[in-house]
Amino acid sequence: NAGVTQTPKFRVLKTGQSMTLLCAQDMNHEYMYWYRQDPGMGLRLIHYSVGEGTTAKGEVPDGYNVSRLKKQNFLLGLESAAPSQTSVYFCASSYPTGAHNQPQHFGDGTRLSIL
Amino acid sequence: GQSLEQPSEVTAVEGAIVQINCTYQTSGFYGLSWYQQHDGGAPTFLSYNGLDGLEETGRFSSFLSRSDSYGYLLLQELQMKDSASYFCAVVTDSWGKLQFGAGTQVVVTP
Repeated sequence: NAGVTQTPKFRVLKTGQSMTLLCAQDMNHEYMYWYRQDPGMGLRLIHYSVGEGTTAKGEVPDGYNVSRLKKQNFLLGLESAAPSQTSVYFCASSYPTGAHNQPQHFGDGTRLSIL
Repeated sequence: GQSLEQPSEVTAVEGAIVQINCTYQTSGFYGLSWYQQHDGGAPTFLSYNGLDGLEETGRFSSFLSRSDSYGYLLLQELQMKDSASYFCAVVTDSWGKLQFGAGTQVVVTP
């Protein structure tokens, strides 16, 4: 019973490098979300998806791209990493039915440092 | 502008009761959720209030007043394992999008 799995758990990048963070869920959830968490600021929504093949921007989407080619996977890409993107990234998923009262299930996070 | 305000830290002894207040100002409001996070790990869902009133789940209760744009989380019979960060989060649309507060760190002492 894995739930939401994020890969990798830690990563150090140099400015300008690119990388992809993978989120996989085995709960057959329709909705998936990517957040970033910075000290003292709570979690902020980057992008989200309400189904396979769909994506939408959240609160802080600049510098990130996402794809949802398969229902169980949600990928977050950084095309040209910047030090301001140093953060902890969390993926979450939820059921759609009455989505506003469905809990979001979070992964353990990816700790990303950009030098 | 949009904001969620909650205290940054609360300290209490084992067995005590703690109330974490949350006031919000958002462009959309479907309900108020609370999440717990231990040591920077995965946030976990605690409660949801879509209507005014009190919701009780074991030692934890959550309250919402939509007219006052205010809610709180009540932690009773505090245990050491309750030491964590607690986040209020407004559900801002029908897709379940969350806007989080900055979090309240609860420190439980013996």
